[in-house]
Amino acid sequence: ILNVEQSPQSLHVQEGDSTNFTCSFPSSNFYALHWYRWETAKSPEALFVMTLNGDEKKKGRISATLNTKEGYSYLYIKGSQPEDSATYLCAFIKGGTALIFGKGTTLSVSS
Amino acid sequence: GAVVSQHPSRVICKSGTSVKIECRSLDFQATTMFWYRQFPKQSLMLMATSNEGSKATYEQGVEKDKFLINHASLTLSTLTVTSAHPEDSSFYICSATAGRNFYEQYFGPGTRLTVT
Repeated sequence: ILNVEQSPQSLHVQEGDSTNFTCSFPSSNFYALHWYRWETAKSPEALFVMTLNGDEKKKGRISATLNTKEGYSYLYIKGSQPEDSATYLCAFIKGGTALIFGKGTTLSVSS
Repeated sequence: GAVVSQHPSRVICKSGTSVKIECRSLDFQATTMFWYRQFPKQSLMLMATSNEGSKATYEQGVEKDKFLINHASLTLSTLTVTSAHPEDSSFYICSATAGRNFYEQYFGPGTRLTVT
C-alpha cells in the first residue's frame, strides 16, 4: 500500500511568519510529486510538479524542494499572508497517471 | 490555467435514489479524467480513472455497479451514484489531465452529496 504522509496536520501562524510543511512518500518507483493549494469552496490549484531529485521550485513566496532518495518534499512559505490560508496537499504519482494524496496541511494565517 | 467545472456543487437525495454528477473540462481536451472521494478528515481517495471512449478503471474496493462512470467525450465525464445510501454521503471531486507536465491534474470544485 502506498502512503503519503503530511505534517503537521494543521498550523497557525502570524502574518509575516515563514513556515514549512513536510510531505513523505515512498521512494521506490518514483515518477513525480505534485503540490496543490486548496482554498475552501474552491478547486485545488496546482502549485508545483516535481520530478528530479534535488529539484527546487519557486512561485512568488512559495517554494518547494524534493528528495527522491529519502522520499520527502518540503513546502516553504516566506512571509505568510492571510491569503495563504488554505490546505496544502501533496500527491505522489502512481502508475503514470493516478495521484495518491496525503491528508494535507491546513494553514491559517492571522493578520 | 485550465478550468474544470463540476455540477452540482451540493445535492441531497433520499436513500435508494440515484444521483448524477457532471465534470467538464472547459478550455482543454482531457485525455483522462479521475474521480475522487473524500470522507471527513481523510485524504482524497481515487475511485476510478476514465479515458474517453473506454471503460473506467476502478480502484480496489470501489463497486463499479454502484458508481457508474461515463466518459463519452474529451470534455465530459459523469459519475452516477446508483441506489444511494447514507454511507455514500461524501465529498466527490473530479480532475482532468491533458497528459502533459507529468500528468498535472486540474480539479473541479467538488460535489457534496448527502443521502438521507
